Amino acid sequence: AQKVTQAQTEISVVEKEDVTLDCVYETRDTTYYLFWYKQPPSGELVFLIRRNSFDEQNEISGRYSWNFQKSTSSFNFTITASQVVDSAVYFCALSEGGSYDKVIFGPGTSLSVIP
Amino acid sequence: NAGVTQTPKFQVLKTGQSMTLQCAQDMNHEYMSWYRQDPGMGLRLIHYSVGAGITDQGEVPNGYNVSRSTTEDFPLRLLSAAPSQTSVYFCASSQTQGSATQYFGPGTRLLVL
Repeated sequence: AQKVTQAQTEISVVEKEDVTLDCVYETRDTTYYLFWYKQPPSGELVFLIRRNSFDEQNEISGRYSWNFQKSTSSFNFTITASQVVDSAVYFCALSEGGSYDKVIFGPGTSLSVIP
Repeated sequence: NAGVTQTPKFQVLKTGQSMTLQCAQDMNHEYMSWYRQDPGMGLRLIHYSVGAGITDQGEVPNGYNVSRSTTEDFPLRLLSAAPSQTSVYFCASSQTQGSATQYFGPGTRLLVL
């Protein structure tokens, strides 16, 4: 069965610090997709990234970067030089190759960036 | 495009009442789904649909019904509301099945007394 764990419930950092949000997943499939979503205080869900299981290259987008390691079943998300606008709940999610229909979310990590 | 729309934004029900949460998308997406979000539990999949006339259960389907008569609409029905169904409900759609990026609606906040 698929499962996503985000062990960090809440994180607080001071503005301009770097912060890494952890995501560990479980799946029996060799083909799967991983996602990160952001939910700011306004409540909407914003897509950040999608990565398939065959692409282990790390990705950088501005201040955001993602580290995908199949060996440890992790898909961690780092924000460099954090800003107050980064304060949000961040969700990691997984869909398995055999049942692409279902996207399972982790419990989320609430990030507070203090000015 | 309006994207994914949900109505109502907020609803208060009494235990035992029924209601339908509406969800519509204008992007011609085949895949649609309903999630509920509760504190500390992330989003949990209730039901999903891979196309008109096809629906299936997610992680927490009990107490909810869905139908998909058109590509655009995917209503979620609560036949007899219970306090345990107090939650924020999100509808999502994507071009294809779960491997694609999902677009979420703004959410419906439901309070069952």
